[in-house]
Amino acid sequence: ETGVTQSPTHLIKTRGQQVTLRCSSQSGHNTVSWYQQALGQGPQFIFQYYREEENGRGNFPPRFSGLQFPNYSSELNVNALELDDSALYLCASSFDRQPPNYGYTFGSGTRLTVV
Amino acid sequence: TQLLEQSPQFLSIQEGENLTVYCNSSSVFSSLQWYRQEPGEGPVLLVTVVTGGEVKKLKRLTFQFGDARKDSSLHITAAQPGDTGLYLCAGAPTYMIKAAGNKLTFGGGTRVLVKP
Repeated sequence: ETGVTQSPTHLIKTRGQQVTLRCSSQSGHNTVSWYQQALGQGPQFIFQYYREEENGRGNFPPRFSGLQFPNYSSELNVNALELDDSALYLCASSFDRQPPNYGYTFGSGTRLTVV
Repeated sequence: TQLLEQSPQFLSIQEGENLTVYCNSSSVFSSLQWYRQEPGEGPVLLVTVVTGGEVKKLKRLTFQFGDARKDSSLHITAAQPGDTGLYLCAGAPTYMIKAAGNKLTFGGGTRVLVKP
């Protein structure tokens, strides 16, 4: 059983640029959630994708967008990067019918630095 | 907006000592999860508590869910250097977002350092 894989692991971008982060969900999982974790803080919910549609969104501007593909993998796109977008971006996969005690499986994250 | 507050933010103890981390909210959660995160890694699920008043034990770790399902605690007995890490609590709301899954609300985390 493969876990959640994210790419790239590290990325440096210039303010104003666009970035795409990728996530392959764990085998058997059909739901992907994206979180932003600033240094020294807990993860903040960005959005969730289920059956290729956005299924809930946190308090993030529209320049944060995403996609989910038929194989349940997902992308997070951020346009017009700002310095405050520097963070660890975490992808978490789950199965919509799993019991509450199963929790999420997180990837190791993509460390994005905006300069 | 549901918020979870963790305390303390940072804890430094000697090997063999006990510690308790608290997770509090004014909101009711359907379940509460505890994760541990190592530097450069994603959070790893330790336990989920679902029933008010529930107590779960994982070796030297004891997790408790408050009777009103608004708060939780993590107690570590005889801490070891391997317990060092960022401990995160995360609550699932009582409502479902459309058809699938639940948006987790995370606390700010408690960084634990166990010195040998």
